[in-house]
Amino acid sequence: GAVVSQHPSWVICKSGTSVKIECRSLDFQATTMFWYRQFPKQSLMLMATSNEGSKATYEQGVEKDKFLINHASLTLSTLTVTSAHPEDSSFYICSARDRGALWIQYFGAGTRLSVL
Amino acid sequence: GENVEQHPSTLSVQEGDSAVIKCTYSDSASNYFPWYKQELGKRPQLIIDIRSNVGEKKDQRIAVTLNKTAKHFSLHITETQPEDSAVYFCAASKNQAGTALIFGKGTTLSVSS
Repeated sequence: GAVVSQHPSWVICKSGTSVKIECRSLDFQATTMFWYRQFPKQSLMLMATSNEGSKATYEQGVEKDKFLINHASLTLSTLTVTSAHPEDSSFYICSARDRGALWIQYFGAGTRLSVL
Repeated sequence: GENVEQHPSTLSVQEGDSAVIKCTYSDSASNYFPWYKQELGKRPQLIIDIRSNVGEKKDQRIAVTLNKTAKHFSLHITETQPEDSAVYFCAASKNQAGTALIFGKGTTLSVSS
């Protein structure tokens, strides 16, 4: 099946620094990618929809200036957590739909962010 | 937007028993309903899905039923095994390129031997 690659898998950073997370579709083109955040023992909450070549659409309550999303190509979306704080510590997961087969949403392996 | 409710939040069964998890959705335009199994720290794994043009789908010990009128779908696991223990999430979406899956809050299934 289709593969979504996400890097890094784990990152520790100091409070106030920025962290970039990459999400790549390896064997299909994705005009749209999705970013989710999952706190411990909670569900996956949609943060934003990343559209190739245009601005991302953010869910209510998600700060677009804090969570910068760039979708520069049909296979790559990046999420940058700017000026990270301990409350941003979470599990971030990206996903994408193959534009040639829209039913299934493929997930990356996730990035565990710990902000000290 | 879509809202998905999932029950129960925790479920404990004995090995060999059946387990049922139920979800309701709010957007009548949603037409795709997958179920995911997630182990701690891992990505969600698709275990079964159903589209709105069918009412039931089965894959070995796992089955999903869909009632479009009631906007309700359920996961059925028969002959449960300890390795079925995990967190299960239901989700719903429309089959459109820009539409994300919206997840229920999850059910922690524990199967004791």
